[in-house]
Amino acid sequence: AQTVTQSQPEMSVQEAETVTLSCTYDTSESDYYLFWYKQPPSRQMILVIRQEAYKQQNATENRFSVNFQKAAKSFSLKISDSQLGDAAMYFCAYRSRETSGSRLTFGEGTQLTVNP
Amino acid sequence: GAGVSQSPSNKVTEKGKDVELRCDPISGHTALYWYRQSLGQGLEFLIYFQGNSAPDKSGLPSDRFSAERTGGSVSTLTIQRTQQEDSAVYLCASSPRAGTGALSGNTIYFGEGSWLTVV
Repeated sequence: AQTVTQSQPEMSVQEAETVTLSCTYDTSESDYYLFWYKQPPSRQMILVIRQEAYKQQNATENRFSVNFQKAAKSFSLKISDSQLGDAAMYFCAYRSRETSGSRLTFGEGTQLTVNP
Repeated sequence: GAGVSQSPSNKVTEKGKDVELRCDPISGHTALYWYRQSLGQGLEFLIYFQGNSAPDKSGLPSDRFSAERTGGSVSTLTIQRTQQEDSAVYLCASSPRAGTGALSGNTIYFGEGSWLTVV
């Protein structure tokens, strides 16, 4: 079974600064998808960024980018020019591409605080 | 619809009562998932639907929990004889495909959740 680990329960960053959230995962599969979701106090899970494991190029979405290290099984999220609206719980998630109907497996989450 | 729709948004019920939570996935999405998130906790998988069938029910915590999906669309999660430990946010999610193929077809999108409080 796959596992996802987020070793930072809480992180803080100053507005306009850059912060990196860590995520590692354990799998025996070679083909899979990785995601970062954001959960503000409203509790809705909002997709931030996604990556296919076979693509070596790191995904970017505006101020959000990832550092995907497949051999190390690491998938960190970098938030540049942090804004107050970025404050939320961030979840890293894994989905198999080799198993039909596969669910998302989530990490424990990292609570991000953005200080003005 | 444009997004995953869940109802009710909030539900307060007395211990021992039955509750039904509804999920309307994004139109055309074949895969549907239910997750539960207790206060301060991560997401706990409950059940997965492919079309109207549920190949994976392994996350349902007890036989008080059941779910169905009709017409390959709307799903209902039913909790019988609710207990206080059932208090949580119940999140529904859907994706176009079931885990093979391109990333765009395998991204899972979530609804806003149903907050259940059992008093």
